[in-house]
Amino acid sequence: NAGVTQTPKFRVLKTGQSMTLLCAQDMNHEYMYWYRQDPGMGLRLIHYSVGEGTTAKGEVPDGYNVSRLKKQNFLLGLESAAPSQTSVYFCASTPGTEIAKNIQYFGAGTRLSVL
Amino acid sequence: AQSVTQPDIHITVSEGASLELRCNYSYGATPYLFWYVQSPGQGLQLLLKYFSGDTLVQGIKGFEAEFKRSQSSFNLRKPSVHWSDAAEYFCAVAPSGNTPLVFGKGTRLSVIA
Repeated sequence: NAGVTQTPKFRVLKTGQSMTLLCAQDMNHEYMYWYRQDPGMGLRLIHYSVGEGTTAKGEVPDGYNVSRLKKQNFLLGLESAAPSQTSVYFCASTPGTEIAKNIQYFGAGTRLSVL
Repeated sequence: AQSVTQPDIHITVSEGASLELRCNYSYGATPYLFWYVQSPGQGLQLLLKYFSGDTLVQGIKGFEAEFKRSQSSFNLRKPSVHWSDAAEYFCAVAPSGNTPLVFGKGTRLSVIA
């Protein structure tokens, strides 16, 4: 029973490098989200998707891009990493139905350091 | 825009003592309300939620929360804290349906013997 799986768990980048974080869910959920967590800031929404092929900006989208080519996967890209993007990144998903009422299921997180 | 305030950044309680974590939100209507817990190095786990109806809701691990419309609050309580409750707790709100959650900044709970 995998749920929401994030890859990789840890990564260290140099400033200017690019990388992609992968989120995969096996619950057939429609909605998926990317958050970043910084000390004292709680979780802030980066981008989200309400279905395959759709994406939308959240509270802090600058410096990130996303894609949802398959329903089960939600990719977060950093084209040119900056030290300000050092953070823990969480992916979440929810069914998107009225019954589910926005209960989100979270992955274990990806810890990213940009030097 | 809606916002969530958790006034206490860090709380320390003795094992066996009662606990109350505060959460206030700003939104005109009654939003969907959630409490999540995050153990060190882990993702977030849903403790409980409120959508409508009875204003006192029960969750997992012996937690409960009370929605008070007049105070725009959704405080989390536990009558007797265990050492394993040490974690960070997040309150979150959504206006309705599947709009993105807005999280508070979290309250870190430490439990001492």
